[in-house]
Amino acid sequence: GDSVTQMEGPVTLSEEAFLTINCTYTATGYPSLFWYVQYPGEGLQLLLKATKADDKGSNKGFEATYRKETTSFHLEKGSVQVSDSAVYFCASKTSYDKVIFGPGTSLSVIP
Amino acid sequence: EAQVTQNPRYLITVTGKKLTVTCSQNMNHEYMSWYRQDPGLGLRQIYYSMNVEVTDKGDVPEGYKVSRKEKRNFPLILESPSPNQTSLYFCASSLRGQYNEQFFGPGTRLTVL
Repeated sequence: GDSVTQMEGPVTLSEEAFLTINCTYTATGYPSLFWYVQYPGEGLQLLLKATKADDKGSNKGFEATYRKETTSFHLEKGSVQVSDSAVYFCASKTSYDKVIFGPGTSLSVIP
Repeated sequence: EAQVTQNPRYLITVTGKKLTVTCSQNMNHEYMSWYRQDPGLGLRQIYYSMNVEVTDKGDVPEGYKVSRKEKRNFPLILESPSPNQTSLYFCASSLRGQYNEQFFGPGTRLTVL
């Protein structure tokens, strides 16, 4: 069946470090791909999305590119800040509205 | 402001005492869903609804009920709560279609003693 796999962490980085969180998916069709972020004590919110192959989603300095050939959607940021400390979820969504979340990756950024 | 609201935000109750967690959205979304979030288990879908009067089971529906009588509301009902339903619950809504993201409520932390 369809699934989303991502590195679980926790990930701890120093401020201004480079961030990569890997995400891979399996799907029978061509899903849309999303990254959601959950700040402490809050619900999830959309960070970025891509709806077709080679699309790049970007927001708040984060980027991810929909790679159909490697079935991946890795999240990157060039220079993390303390305020980026959160849990990050990769997700896929199919044409019949099925949403599949990865397990989440906890990120802590230390000054 | 476009939002999903949930009430209550925190609830402590005892085994067997029926409770309802309300969810409401003001974005005219057709699709609504309930999730529970537990440490090490990520987000698991409980029930979802494609539109008014249309609901279906998610991955972990046992012990829960839902209804969708109006487009904006999607309450989650625990008829006889048990301690294993202690969790953080999120309601979400979206437009239908794979390009559309979900909007999440702030969460309800439920403790069943």
